[in-house]
Amino acid sequence: AQKVTQAQTEISVVEKEDVTLDCVYETRDTTYYLFWYKQPPSGELVFLIRRNSFDEQNEISGRYSWNFQKSTSSFNFTITASQVVDSAVYFCALSEALGTTDSWGKLQFGAGTQVVVTP
Amino acid sequence: DTEVTQTPKHLVMGMTNKKSLKCEQHMGHRAMYWYKQKAKKPPELMFVYSYEKLSINESVPSRFSPECPNSSLLNLHLHALQPEDSALYLCASSQEDRSSGIDNEQFFGPGTRLTVL
Repeated sequence: AQKVTQAQTEISVVEKEDVTLDCVYETRDTTYYLFWYKQPPSGELVFLIRRNSFDEQNEISGRYSWNFQKSTSSFNFTITASQVVDSAVYFCALSEALGTTDSWGKLQFGAGTQVVVTP
Repeated sequence: DTEVTQTPKHLVMGMTNKKSLKCEQHMGHRAMYWYKQKAKKPPELMFVYSYEKLSINESVPSRFSPECPNSSLLNLHLHALQPEDSALYLCASSQEDRSSGIDNEQFFGPGTRLTVL
């Protein structure tokens, strides 16, 4: 069963528009971590944010903001005033079962959302 | 130094060749990972090393053989690969805080694009 769902396959916006990427996760654990990664065309995954299950505060970092809602099992990501350099695939990922030897370090990625920003 | 380096960037090999992918980090991380990523798909975990010991093998075929010579280096030895093994191979590293119940972010290298003919 898919643990992380990114329902949006591709989002196209014009520069300066805001874009929100949805991420819905599924877990039975009370302790888990959520991550967002960016993968530009060069291929390298760039870490953006980590959030643990006990910290529901929303976070803002420059033009990026994240909305974590445990009640809906969602961890959405918004890019404000998008720029061409934001064009990339964005992955949401879940890590759970930290106490289990055979699960530690396992990142479960969503399918990814391709963001295309045109000038 | 917050970088994970991988060599080579590109590799083309025949099905009978033996080659190795190399990964290096100098962040003092004691967990290192190999992922395989096919086009338009998310990365798939292959192996996890914790303190130079293999802790997770995601049922990867034996034609892929990982090695962790020391805390900074991770190798992936390739032998008798199939064309379907062509993919982007990503290495990652993270702090290892399992005993503290903390799962830290993984830092990824740029990857090796492997083509098997």
